[in-house]
This record gives sequence, structure tokens and C-alpha cells, in this order.
Amino acid sequence: AQKVTQAQTEISVVEKEDVTLDCVYETRDTTYYLFWYKQPPSGELVFLIRRNSFDEQNEISGRYSWNFQKSTSSFNFTITASQVVDSAVYFCALSEASFSGGYNKLIFGAGTRLAVHP
Amino acid sequence: EAQVTQNPRYLITVTGKKLTVTCSQNMNHEYMSWYRQDPGLGLRQIYYSMNVEVTDKGDVPEGYKVSRKEKRNFPLILESPSPNQTSLYFCASSMGHSEQYFGPGTRLTVT
Repeated sequence: AQKVTQAQTEISVVEKEDVTLDCVYETRDTTYYLFWYKQPPSGELVFLIRRNSFDEQNEISGRYSWNFQKSTSSFNFTITASQVVDSAVYFCALSEASFSGGYNKLIFGAGTRLAVHP
Repeated sequence: EAQVTQNPRYLITVTGKKLTVTCSQNMNHEYMSWYRQDPGLGLRQIYYSMNVEVTDKGDVPEGYKVSRKEKRNFPLILESPSPNQTSLYFCASSMGHSEQYFGPGTRLTVT
């Protein structure tokens, strides 16, 4: 069965520290998609990244980077030089291509609450 | 501007009083879905729709109904709300396996 585990419930760091949010997934599909979303205190869900299962290349976007490793079924997210504005709940999610002919059902992890202190 | 809208954003109601949360998207997306967010559980899918008049249950459909009479609208109906349906609700739309666009959320409290 498909599952996403975010073992870190809460992380607290001081500004400018680097922080890595872990995401481990389970799926039997060979084709799937992984996502990260950010939920700031205002409550909306902000899309950060989408990665398909055939693309293991790591990605960097400014201070954000993602490490996708199929061998360990992980899709970890690192924030470099964290800032107070990074404080939010971060969700990792999985979508399987075989579900209902391609429908994008997202299976979410429980989320990791990141608090960045000045 | 591409967006998903939900109304109302906040709702406090009493047990048993029927309510509807509206959801509308302007991106001509085929797929729409409803999720509820609860502490420690992340977001869980309630219902989804692959096109007009095509809907199906997600992981936690009990106590909810939906309809898809037009492509842009996907209302969530609670015919007899109960306190365990107090939650934060999100509507989302997408095309295939592309990014899902989420609405701003509806915080529902049932007393």
C-alpha cells in the first residue's frame, strides 16, 4: 500500500542554520510522483516541487534543495541558511500513476512543523 | 489569475444542520478533489471527480457528499454535520499528474 512517512513532527532551528526535512515513501508502482508543499501560518498550501520517479536528479532552487533516492525510497528537503519566513508546516506527498487511469490522488505525510527562531 | 476559490473560509455550525462548502476553479481542470486536514494526520482525500458527473470516494468519505454538474464547480455537502467533522478542508484541482492547485481552505467547526 502507498504511504508517506515524515518522522520529524517538529524541528526547531536558529536562523541561518541548515535544516533537512525527511520524507520516506512506500509504493508498488514503478511510475509515481513526489511533491513537497509548504503551509505557512496563514494556512494556504504552497506548491514547492514535483518530481517523477524516473528523474533522480537532485534539484536546487535558491536556498531549497531536494535529494531523491529511489534506493532508500526517500525524498528529503533541505533548507540552507534558514530564515524566519521559512517557519511553516511542510508536507511531502506521493501520487501513483496507476491509480484510476492517471488521476492525481495525493497521499500526504503527517507533516513536519519547522520553527526558525531569530 | 489561475485560482481555486472556496467559500466560506470560516464556518461555525451546530450538529445536524446541513451545510455546503463551495469550490470553483478557473483553469479548466478535469480533476478536482476535497481533502480534510487534521493534526498529526496530514491531508486525507474525501472525494474526487475526474470530470463532469464522474465522482468517487476517497479515503474518508463517510458523512460527505459531492456533485460535479459543471466542470468548474465541485461543492462539498455535509447533510448532517457532526463534531468529528470539525476540520480544515481544502479543495484542489489539477490536470493529470501535474501540480495540484489548492484553494485557501475552509475552517469548519461543528458544535
